[in-house]
Amino acid sequence: EAGVAQSPRYKIIEKRQSVAFWCNPISGHATLYWYQQILGQGPKLLIQFQNNGVVDDSQLPKDRFSAERLKGVDSTLKIQPAKLEDSAVYLCASSLDRLDTQYFGPGTRLTVL
Amino acid sequence: QQQVKQSPQSLIVQKGGISIINCAYENTAFDYFPWYQQFPGKGPALLIAIRPDVSEKKEGRFTISFNKSAKQFSLHIMDSQPGDSATYFCAALVVSNSGYALNFGKGTSLLVTP
Repeated sequence: EAGVAQSPRYKIIEKRQSVAFWCNPISGHATLYWYQQILGQGPKLLIQFQNNGVVDDSQLPKDRFSAERLKGVDSTLKIQPAKLEDSAVYLCASSLDRLDTQYFGPGTRLTVL
Repeated sequence: QQQVKQSPQSLIVQKGGISIINCAYENTAFDYFPWYQQFPGKGPALLIAIRPDVSEKKEGRFTISFNKSAKQFSLHIMDSQPGDSATYFCAALVVSNSGYALNFGKGTSLLVTP
């Protein structure tokens, strides 16, 4: 079974630029999550989708971050404009349903200069 | 606000020894406690998990001990091996009106020396 795919794996941008990350969850998984993992800390949930609807985006900085999940499959997370403090690994995870095991992708390491 | 507090931050154990990582929580609404293992450059992977109606769960060399009254839980790795060297995260799941959120600890970097 293929795992959660993410791209790109690494991204370096200047502050105030925009960036987008892509996630392809495990086939058939209804729930998709985006986490932010700052160096030396545990992942922090940014947004959770159930199929193509947002379930929880209470921790998403909505003035600069946006996310969508088209057709309930792939998802993109966008940051515009980026700040220095956005430097982190952005992890995508998916689960069969909301209470099931979450499977994580390898993440995208973002560096904002 | 860190809802799950994890210690120690780092741990060095000799091969064959026991690795112990501790976590504490405040929110009594948490009802699922997983441990994740993360290798460099990889995403976290579920290692073992427990629900609060059970005091202990064992899977191979990995054991979770759970103390509901003290609001603490711990991971024990028996016969630690160099291949166990990774970062370990405890987490707690809370069910709310807005969904099911995993709250992670800050992680413990484990090094098992040969």
